[in-house]
Amino acid sequence: DAGITQSPRHKVTETGTPVTLRCHQTENHRYMYWYRQDPGHGLRLIHYSYGVKDTDKGEVSDGYSVSRSKTEDFLLTLESATSSQTSVYFCATLASDTVNTEAFFGQGTRLTVV
Amino acid sequence: DAKTTQPNSMESNEEEPVHLPCNHSTISGTDYIHWYRQLPSQGPEYVIHGLTSNVNNRMASLAIAEDRKSSTLILHRATLRDAAVYYCILRDVGGAGGTSYGKLTFGQGTILTVHP
Repeated sequence: DAGITQSPRHKVTETGTPVTLRCHQTENHRYMYWYRQDPGHGLRLIHYSYGVKDTDKGEVSDGYSVSRSKTEDFLLTLESATSSQTSVYFCATLASDTVNTEAFFGQGTRLTVV
Repeated sequence: DAKTTQPNSMESNEEEPVHLPCNHSTISGTDYIHWYRQLPSQGPEYVIHGLTSNVNNRMASLAIAEDRKSSTLILHRATLRDAAVYYCILRDVGGAGGTSYGKLTFGQGTILTVHP
């Protein structure tokens, strides 16, 4: 395992409340990603980071923000959770962006917005 | 981005070989072919990757067609633990000397069922 810890692993929250998911890695990997997985859609990229304080949007970034103040932590925030954000969220890391490197994924966070 | 096409599902018996196909007819010359799998209730995990030549590792083999428009992931002796969703993904180095930032584009993958 690449030392990726996602927290919390499960969360139920109410519509309209803010939620922050944390991804912590111990591998000193430069790149970090947040994906969501929904039935019928596979994994889709929400946001990614290519260094401390360097982040960019993925294909499904609306309603999400991220922050990376140190190498090991990448936070995903839902400013005002909606039912459409009920999903399983995966964090991933990558040591470098060369095509020979493999990505490592966390165990996932199951978020339910009621 | 070049896309991949995989069968929705496949079935195998335990201890038999499994050949998981992937079509990528629009692959570019700089695209690497990566395979990941996702076991039930877990995050995806890397399996293997290649560019042009066939590749082997402890988990699987990757056979790449000569024209690179298709590839096949080979599990030599399937076990119950190999039951998972298998994703074929193309990774690009990035155009014009740039970077793709390592982003992965997942399709639906192939659900592999292994029967005892």
